[in-house]
Amino acid sequence: NAGVTQTPKFRILKIGQSMTLQCTQDMNHNYMYWYRQDPGMGLKLIYYSVGAGITDKGEVPNGYNVSRSTTEDFPLRLELAAPSQTSVYFCASSPGRTEQFFGPGTRLTVL
Amino acid sequence: KQEVTQIPAALSVPEGENLVLNCSFTDSAIYNLQWFRQDPGKGLTSLLLIQSSQREQTSGRLNASLDKSSGRSTLYIAASQPGDSATYLCAGMDSSYKLIFGSGTRLLVRP
Repeated sequence: NAGVTQTPKFRILKIGQSMTLQCTQDMNHNYMYWYRQDPGMGLKLIYYSVGAGITDKGEVPNGYNVSRSTTEDFPLRLELAAPSQTSVYFCASSPGRTEQFFGPGTRLTVL
Repeated sequence: KQEVTQIPAALSVPEGENLVLNCSFTDSAIYNLQWFRQDPGKGLTSLLLIQSSQREQTSGRLNASLDKSSGRSTLYIAASQPGDSATYLCAGMDSSYKLIFGSGTRLLVRP
């Protein structure tokens, strides 16, 4: 199993550009999550999903959108990128309300 | 609202020392608590998960405890090694089943 994979690993965006961060898991987990981690800080939940077609906001959802059309994929969309969105983004999955498994992260810089 | 705090922010110890990392949380209605390891520039690796009905979990040289009444969890690392150097994050699952992260303790084990 590859576990949780994320693409791209790194990206530089200009202010106002848009992009999609990809996340795929091959563990057949129903629950998937997107977090952001700012330097020296813990992770904050952006959006999560408890199954295909079901998504909900986390702690810091502004400026982001998600969709969940399949069990495996949970893309995160950034519209009109801002410098405040410079961060490392982690995707995670879990079989339920239990242990979460994380991807390697996407390091995003907005200039 | 659940808040998770980790003190100290950084710790440096000589190789071979036994050490304890601390994690405190504000809401005793915690569903579970998870300890992670994060290497520089990398994703999170799950170390131990303690369910709310459990008092501790062990894996190799690691032992994690959970005391809901005092709002504390500790991660005990026995016979520390330079390879244990990393940032250790704790995260508590709150009543709405979201993970709330602490800011982490950055550990350096000196040879």
